[in-house]
Amino acid sequence: QQQVKQSPQSLIVQKGGIPIINCAYENTAFDYFPWYQQFPGKGPALLIAIRPDVSEKKEGRFTISFNKSAKQFSLHIMDSQPGDSATYFCAASLSGGSNYKLTFGKGTLLTVNP
Amino acid sequence: SAVISQKPSRDICQRGTSLTIQCQVDSQVTMMFWYRQQPGQSLTLIATANQGSEATYESGFVIDKFPISRPNLTFSTLTVSNMSPEDSSIYLCSVSLGYGYTFGSGTRLTVV
Repeated sequence: QQQVKQSPQSLIVQKGGIPIINCAYENTAFDYFPWYQQFPGKGPALLIAIRPDVSEKKEGRFTISFNKSAKQFSLHIMDSQPGDSATYFCAASLSGGSNYKLTFGKGTLLTVNP
Repeated sequence: SAVISQKPSRDICQRGTSLTIQCQVDSQVTMMFWYRQQPGQSLTLIATANQGSEATYESGFVIDKFPISRPNLTFSTLTVSNMSPEDSSIYLCSVSLGYGYTFGSGTRLTVV
């Protein structure tokens, strides 16, 4: 049973575009929703995270939108740059994300063309 | 955030042998997590290692194949035993210090 479903599998945008990656979860007990960015040969790096008591969170060019009733959350990258080309993973966890395992989506390979 | 050092960064091993991967954290942490990332795939949790107790394994992973040690609050090892080509993956350790999970850079294992 896949508890976190991520789409699309891959995404190509032009520089300056706004790629949007979507995730849906099944377990209503999840209360911590991070996004990770992974470059080839590197471990995933935390990009931004949200808890279900807010509907949106912005950090720089990255925004998470959260819809608790629909059990969905999404990542928007404003003014995307070629350096944003990477694989993005959404994830979910229990109890604020401390000492509890993360459940990951399958990942989205983002390519930003110059 | 925590700084994680993982060794080796990569290795090529013969089938039937074992490899031990080390994970060192610059802060004391209660839980350490070991993940597997198969080529082009997402991360799958292998086990959770709590200092002073047996590791907790996820469905599909067993201690005989992936023994874990956790001798103190800053260090853990994962051994991949009796390797086969299907074990070729990236193995990552991860910790949480309350403000998000940090991952090591991973060990890229190729079994030939």
